[in-house]
Amino acid sequence: GAVVSQHPSRVICKSGTSVKIECRSLDFQATTMFWYRQFPKQSLMLMATSNEGSKATYEQGVEKDKFLINHASLTLSTLTVTSAHPEDSSFYICSARWQGNSANVLTFGAGSRLTVL
Amino acid sequence: GEDVEQSLFLSVREGDSSVINCTYTDSSSTYLYWYKQEPGAGLQLLTYIFSNMDMKQDQRLTVLLNKKDKHLSLRIADTQTGDSAIYFCAEISGGTSYGKLTFGQGTILTVHP
Repeated sequence: GAVVSQHPSRVICKSGTSVKIECRSLDFQATTMFWYRQFPKQSLMLMATSNEGSKATYEQGVEKDKFLINHASLTLSTLTVTSAHPEDSSFYICSARWQGNSANVLTFGAGSRLTVL
Repeated sequence: GEDVEQSLFLSVREGDSSVINCTYTDSSSTYLYWYKQEPGAGLQLLTYIFSNMDMKQDQRLTVLLNKKDKHLSLRIADTQTGDSAIYFCAEISGGTSYGKLTFGQGTILTVHP
């Protein structure tokens, strides 16, 4: 079945540094990937839609200069949290939709826990 | 915009049935989904139902859809402690071809021995 790998699963960084999170579709090509943010005991908030070969589409209120998304290939999208601050600490989850999937099912990565000190 | 609502908590005894409810507002929803999230993990698709169906059963899981009332439910038969998790209802509207989902807040299911 469709598998999405997300890396790293946990990362701790100092305030002011940048952190990159990778999202890979292992056995399928994903022209579109989605990045979500989840606060403790809350639902998923869609941050942006990552499109292969073009600019990401950001949701309202999400700073595109803060959360850089690159989708350079059909199997890899990256989210870079630039100049991270403690308020950026969160659980980030990516997902992808495999082509030919008429039910529009999304496959999710395992998530990345970011802690900014 | 689209809205999906769920009750936040459900507590059941092991062996009983669990019913998690969800309501949505988008009348053009084509597919509705149930995802499960265990602590510190991503989301796992449990099942989904197309909007022209009323019911779908998959082993211990039964999904009921009342399109008129925009109500979706997930029934878990013979609930086990391993079923303890957060369950998310999600929908995708007919006009969205690239898979953008709207999620509910999630229902925390606690199963007591």
